[in-house]
Amino acid sequence: GQNIDQPTEMTATEGAIVQINCTYQTSGFNGLFWYQQHAGEAPTFLSYNVLDGLEEKGRFSSFLSRSKGYSYLLLKELQMKDSASYLCAVGNMLTFGGGTRLMVKP
Amino acid sequence: ETGVTQTPRHLVMGMTNKKSLKCEQHLGHNAMYWYKQSAKKPLELMFVYSLEERVENNSVPSRFSPECPNSSHLFLHLHTLQPEDSALYLCASSQDRAEGRTFGSGTRLTVV
Repeated sequence: GQNIDQPTEMTATEGAIVQINCTYQTSGFNGLFWYQQHAGEAPTFLSYNVLDGLEEKGRFSSFLSRSKGYSYLLLKELQMKDSASYLCAVGNMLTFGGGTRLMVKP
Repeated sequence: ETGVTQTPRHLVMGMTNKKSLKCEQHLGHNAMYWYKQSAKKPLELMFVYSLEERVENNSVPSRFSPECPNSSHLFLHLHTLQPEDSALYLCASSQDRAEGRTFGSGTRLTVV
């Protein structure tokens, strides 16, 4: 089975950097996904890591360590519109964590 | 239309009603999914269809009945639901089951 842990909530300031961590245990690994979900909307794909290391995509970066069962999503130059839930997902059937609700304050 | 579309966006139904949720994907994907998202709970996988065959059923009560008539369409038939079934129901698709999901906007279901 799968077990995924993320912090429930985080708060950060506009313009700052925030790191959202995800730890996981899974019986079958074929990559780790990060999704963004604004309140009342569908999750949208942010990033995919299958090999160890950092993947950078604009203001967002995602890191993976398979040996540690650990990933993080790094958001730089935070904007108010980044206030959303960030979901980590792994496993052959893509099990989702509970999500981290990020609140960006002015 | 592009992506994954779901109808209706909102649905209020009584416990004795029968209704259906519809999902259509325009991405040429081979797999489709139903997820349930309740307040303060993780996204829960309900059903998986791959090439129109159901390959996963995560102990979902029989009052939820999926149907996949072809690779582009997915339905969730609802009958005699309970108030605790009120949630956001999300449809998703992917090229195969190992790949990331593209989600629809969801149906917000309220059972009264």
